[in-house]
Amino acid sequence: QKEVEQNSGPLSVPEGAIASLNCTYSDRVSQSFFWYRQYSGKSPELIMSIYSNGDKEDGRFTAQLNKASQYVSLLIRDSQPSDSATYLCAVNRAGGSYIPTFGRGTSLIVHP
Amino acid sequence: DVKVTQSSRYLVKRTGEKVFLECVQDMDHENMFWYRQDPGLGLRLIYFSYDVKMKEKGDIPEGYSVSREKKERFSLILESASTNQTSMYLCASAGGQLPYEQYFGPGTRLTVT
Repeated sequence: QKEVEQNSGPLSVPEGAIASLNCTYSDRVSQSFFWYRQYSGKSPELIMSIYSNGDKEDGRFTAQLNKASQYVSLLIRDSQPSDSATYLCAVNRAGGSYIPTFGRGTSLIVHP
Repeated sequence: DVKVTQSSRYLVKRTGEKVFLECVQDMDHENMFWYRQDPGLGLRLIYFSYDVKMKEKGDIPEGYSVSREKKERFSLILESASTNQTSMYLCASAGGQLPYEQYFGPGTRLTVT
């Protein structure tokens, strides 16, 4: 059973700080990795995808991938109260699979 | 931007009713998915489709069926709704090239009484 693990949290950070969200996965052949943000009562919204080792930056968000250690992380710089949400990590298998395995999410609270 | 729409945001049905949930995407994606999301259980895949008239069971297909007659539309059918099918139902689509980013619709909150 392929697994994607996330700490459920909540992770609480002060406004303006860096929030660091982590995700580990068990399938070594995983190829594509995704971070989604989900506000309470809403559907998941894609933030970033990454499939090469290293960092990928988009505005205040940076995704970091380390395939050797089988983890992917999301850094949120200058955290804002509006970033308070649940963050879902998702992983696609190699071989062109389009079916992701989702983690259960980490709850982030950014307090003023 | 990818747009995925779902027929209803909120739906209340009675036990035993047949329920249709519809999903439409406008990005010409080959792949479409139906999930349900429940507190503490995360996202669970019900069915997916990789082409018109093609469907595959996901992790929890029991009590559900699907239909994909056109590329842009994927319907989820609850043949005889039961109270344990009360949930948030999420449709998603994915396509194009790797990494096959998946985009979600707004969701349908279904309550079965």
